[in-house]
Amino acid sequence: GIQVEQSPPDLILQEGANSTLRCNFSDSVNNLQWFHQNPWGQLINLFYIPSGTKQNGRLSATTVATERYSLLYISSSQTTDSGVYFCAVNTGTASKLTFGTGTRLQVTL
Amino acid sequence: NAGVTQTPKFQVLKTGQSMTLQCAQDMNHEYMSWYRQDPGMGLRLIHYSVGAGITDQGEVPNGYNVSRSTTEDFPLRLLSAAPSQTSVYFCASSRAARVGAKNIQYFGAGTRLSVL
Repeated sequence: GIQVEQSPPDLILQEGANSTLRCNFSDSVNNLQWFHQNPWGQLINLFYIPSGTKQNGRLSATTVATERYSLLYISSSQTTDSGVYFCAVNTGTASKLTFGTGTRLQVTL
Repeated sequence: NAGVTQTPKFQVLKTGQSMTLQCAQDMNHEYMSWYRQDPGMGLRLIHYSVGAGITDQGEVPNGYNVSRSTTEDFPLRLLSAAPSQTSVYFCASSRAARVGAKNIQYFGAGTRLSVL
C-alpha cells in the first residue's frame, strides 16, 4: 500500500516563529488532507488539498502531486497551534485514508 | 449540524468483556470507517463501509466486528476485549470517492478505551 512519511517528527518553536511541515507519499493520490490534533485529542480538518495551494489565515498548504509531497506552512505561530499535525491520503477510487505518523509541534512563550 | 457523533467518550472494560462503540453521522455520507490511534502513532484503519449492508476489513480488523444496517449508523463491536485494544477510537465519514470530486473525511471526537 501507499507509504506516507512526515517530517520532522518533533518541532519546538517560540511563539511568533514560522515553520514548514512536510509530507511525502509514495504513489499518486486522489485525496490529501492535513489535520491538527489538539491536546484534547480532537482531529480538526485544516486543508483538503490533493494539488495546488490553499491559505487559511496563518496557515497555508501546497501539494505538488507530480513530485508526491505536500507542505504545511504555519506563520507567526501561537501556543494554540501546539498539537500533532497529520497528513493523510487516499488513492484511486477508495475513500479509506492512510495516515502519516505525524509532526508533534510545541509552541512556547 | 452535528456531523459525526461518537459515544461513549470514555470507557473502561475488563479483559473478556464485550461492548459496542457507537457512531452516527447526519450528512448522508455513503462512506464510514473506524480507526484506532495508539500512543505516538498515526491512525490505523480497522473496518470501513461504502454503504448500507456493505463492510470490509482495513489494516487491523482482528478482534472487531462491524455492521451497517442504515446509512447513518456504523457501530464497532469488541467481541472479547483484550489489553491490546486499549486505544483511542475514531469514526469518520465522507461522500463516496469519485475521481475529480471533493472527498473530505470528517472525524468524530473519539472514544478513549482502556481494557484492564
